[in-house]
Amino acid sequence: EAGVVQSPRYKIIEKKQPVAFWCNPISGHNTLYWYLQNLGQGPELLIRYENEEAVDDSQLPKDRFSAERLKGVDSTLKIQPAELGDSAVYLCASSSIGGAVSNEQFFGPGTRLTVL
Amino acid sequence: AQSVTQLGSHVSVSEGALVLLRCNYSSSVPPYLFWYVQYPNQGLQLLLKYTSAATLVKGINGFEAEFKKSETSFHLTKPSAHMSDAAEYFCAVSGKGGSEKLVFGKGTKLTVNP
Repeated sequence: EAGVVQSPRYKIIEKKQPVAFWCNPISGHNTLYWYLQNLGQGPELLIRYENEEAVDDSQLPKDRFSAERLKGVDSTLKIQPAELGDSAVYLCASSSIGGAVSNEQFFGPGTRLTVL
Repeated sequence: AQSVTQLGSHVSVSEGALVLLRCNYSSSVPPYLFWYVQYPNQGLQLLLKYTSAATLVKGINGFEAEFKKSETSFHLTKPSAHMSDAAEYFCAVSGKGGSEKLVFGKGTKLTVNP
C-alpha cells in the first residue's frame, strides 16, 4: 500500500513570493490533515478535511494561507505571500473512518520550506 | 483542551542501556495517546497507541508504553537501546471522537552512544 505522498520535498523561495504544496493521501482515506512543524517543535494542525469539507481550519492563518481538497482526494496548501516566519516543514497526514476507532494518522515525508 | 508535556528535549543513552522517554498529558476527556518517531528528513511513523484497552501497550521495534491515569503519564520505554533508535520522538494526545486532531509535545531527541 502506497503511503501519503507529498511534493515537493524541498522548496526555497524569496519572501513575498507564493508557494504551493501538494498532498496525495492513502487511497480510501477520507480524512486529510495539514500540520505545520517548526524547527524543534511538534507538529501543529493547520486544517482538517473530511472528504472535501474543511471541518477544522481554526488554526489556519487565512490572510495568507489557503487550502483546497477538490473531489475529496488530493489537497493543495498555498501561501501567498510567504514571509520569513513561514520557514518550516509542512506535513500532510490522512486517516480513514475505519481508523477512527483509534484515530491513527499516517504521515507523509513533509515539505521543507525555506523563505529567504 | 488537551496538551502534552515531554520532559527532556534531549536524552542520551549508551547502546544496550534502558531507554525512558517521559510524557505527561492533560485532557478533559478520556484520551487516546500515541508515540511517533521521526528520523531526519522523514515524516512521522507510529510506534504505538493507547486506545483504552490494555494499559501496557507494545509497539514496533521493541518499544512499549504504560498508560497511568493516576499520574496522567504515558512514558515510552525500551529495555536495550540500539544505534538505529537515534531519532526524535513525539508524544501526542487526541480525544476519542473520530478523526480528531493530534496535539503533540515538543519532542525528545534520543542519542545513542556506542
